[in-house]
Amino acid sequence: DTAVSQTPKYLVTQMGNDKSIKCEQNLGHDTMYWYKQDSKKFLKIMFSYNNKELIINETVPNRFSPKSPDKAHLNLHINSLELGDSAVYFCASSQFAGVQETQYFGPGTRLLVL
Amino acid sequence: GQQVMQIPQYQHVQEGEDFTTYCNSSTTLSNIQWYKQRPGGHPVFLIQLVKSGEVKKQKRLTFQFGEAKKNSSLHITATQTTDVGTYFCAGGGSNYKLTFGKGTLLTVNP
Repeated sequence: DTAVSQTPKYLVTQMGNDKSIKCEQNLGHDTMYWYKQDSKKFLKIMFSYNNKELIINETVPNRFSPKSPDKAHLNLHINSLELGDSAVYFCASSQFAGVQETQYFGPGTRLLVL
Repeated sequence: GQQVMQIPQYQHVQEGEDFTTYCNSSTTLSNIQWYKQRPGGHPVFLIQLVKSGEVKKQKRLTFQFGEAKKNSSLHITATQTTDVGTYFCAGGGSNYKLTFGKGTLLTVNP
């Protein structure tokens, strides 16, 4: 059983399209995250939800909209995709919100915008 | 905002050589975590350090947290090809956010 799963694993799309990435965790954790990892491997936090409530909202374009229908799921919708959005997007979860919590990462979604 | 610098960016070693990566924060940290990401994989938690001056060991890996809680290091003794990957430190500040360093990519020549 995969603890943190993401779909799709790969996503190739044209500039200007709208796409969604889904994340699910079966660890019973309260907190979930979205990270973006660029081509230089830099891991940057984008959003975090704790029990469906947004607690981290970094400076990202408002074309990115997260949604947490329940605490086991965190989705990321991206409008009007741009070339610079090409990256690997990782979902992660932790038992509780807090910097001392271990984060468990999903396998990543490799997004390529053409 | 909080910044976590990590050096070196890349390190290539011969199998059996030692390896060290260093992490420095612009502010005092509440804790530091280390993650490893294999090529094509996802970050996996290795360890967390919380106390000033703390040292922890995992087999050939030694982790240190500085006395001022602003720096940390990961040392691998006698590297093996299975150690290949990118090692990230991540510092905890005063909010919910872990700030990741840019990582050190370790390659090992057999």
